Amino acid sequence: QQQVKQSPQSLIVQKGGISIINCAYENTAFDYFPWYQQFPGKGPALLIAIRPDVSEKKEGRFTISFNKSAKQFSLHIMDSQPGDSATYFCAASTPDTGGFKTIFGAGTRLFVKA
Amino acid sequence: SQTIHQWPATLVQPVGSPLSLECTVEGTSNPNLYWYRQAAGRGLQLLFYSVGIGQISSEVPQNLSASRPQDRQFILSSKKLLLSDSGFYLCAWAPGVVYGYTFGSGTRLTVV
Repeated sequence: QQQVKQSPQSLIVQKGGISIINCAYENTAFDYFPWYQQFPGKGPALLIAIRPDVSEKKEGRFTISFNKSAKQFSLHIMDSQPGDSATYFCAASTPDTGGFKTIFGAGTRLFVKA
Repeated sequence: SQTIHQWPATLVQPVGSPLSLECTVEGTSNPNLYWYRQAAGRGLQLLFYSVGIGQISSEVPQNLSASRPQDRQFILSSKKLLLSDSGFYLCAWAPGVVYGYTFGSGTRLTVV
């Protein structure tokens, strides 16, 4: 029930195309759904996040779509660029003692071909 | 602005040797601090978190321990390293109940 399932494991997209990464969760107590971007040898960086009271959030070329009834959310990267090549992690958070608890997906390695 | 420092960047240690990784945060007070481990090509595993000085919660029983001797300092230790301790160790902080982590740049640990 604490798992966040992420797919696909890896993704190859042509430059200019749309990259789509999907995640699913089961615990309805989760109330914050962030996406992190990680470049090789670096720590993950918060990319974009959404709360379950909205169905979509857009920041530049990055969009989160959220389906509360299906307990699924996805990251869309429009006009994908070679610089977007990185590993992407979805996550789900819930309040916990003194802060919050976060469960991460297993990650998706995105490669954008020039 | 807040910054997080983590060192060293890389470390090669023999089996059975001790370990000490340090993380410090600047520009904030009373942060929640976290240690994560990332195995090669895999996801993030929470090891320890701390909501205050001397307060440590362990998520996974193992060969490692953590300490928080000062408000903005978090230390990951081991008395005797195992081969299975190899990985990419990440420190992170979060401002209390506000969601979202800021991660450090990580330490690549190889136990040989």
